[in-house]
Amino acid sequence: AQRVTQPEKLLSVFKGAPVELKCNYSYSGSPELFWYVQYSRQRLQLLLRHISRESIKGFTADLNKGETSFHLKKPFAQEEDSAMYYCALFRRGSTLGRLYFGRGTQLTVWP
Amino acid sequence: NAGVTQTPKFQVLKTGQSMTLQCAQDMNHNSMYWYRQDPGMGLRLIYYSASEGTTDKGEVPNGYNVSRLNKREFSLRLESAAPSQTSVYFCASSEAGDKVSYEQYFGPGTRLTVT
Repeated sequence: AQRVTQPEKLLSVFKGAPVELKCNYSYSGSPELFWYVQYSRQRLQLLLRHISRESIKGFTADLNKGETSFHLKKPFAQEEDSAMYYCALFRRGSTLGRLYFGRGTQLTVWP
Repeated sequence: NAGVTQTPKFQVLKTGQSMTLQCAQDMNHNSMYWYRQDPGMGLRLIYYSASEGTTDKGEVPNGYNVSRLNKREFSLRLESAAPSQTSVYFCASSEAGDKVSYEQYFGPGTRLTVT
């Protein structure tokens, strides 16, 4: 069975500090992983996906198959990064693949 | 383009009442989804529709029904609301993909309270 674990419900850092949001997964197939973000009073939106290997808003995430992790990192946090972050895993299906979401981490960046 | 729209934004129901949450997308997407978001539980899939005319159960379908009215619209119905269904409901859409994941676009959510 597939599972996505985000061990931290809440994470607080000061502006300018590095931040790392943890995500671990279990999946027997070849994983496809994503980070979605929800800013206050806004809808969820895709932040980044591992296959594109791009950096969005200064965030990066590397898929580590050995540790089954996909941690989200940013070297210098900004106040506008405060949001709820969800890690998600895509599972292929016969008719439609599905996303499985972790429980989310609420990031607060203090001034 | 409006993207994914949901109505209503807020709703308060009494236990046992019924209601339908509406969702529409104007991106010509084949796939649509209904999630619920609860504190500490993340997003859980209720139902999804791979294409017009098909629907499938997700992780938490009990107490809900869905209708894929056409390619644009996907509604979620609570036949007899219960306090456990108090939640924020999100509709999403994406290109259809069984082997490749396409980005899901989310609506603004419906905050439902059942008393």
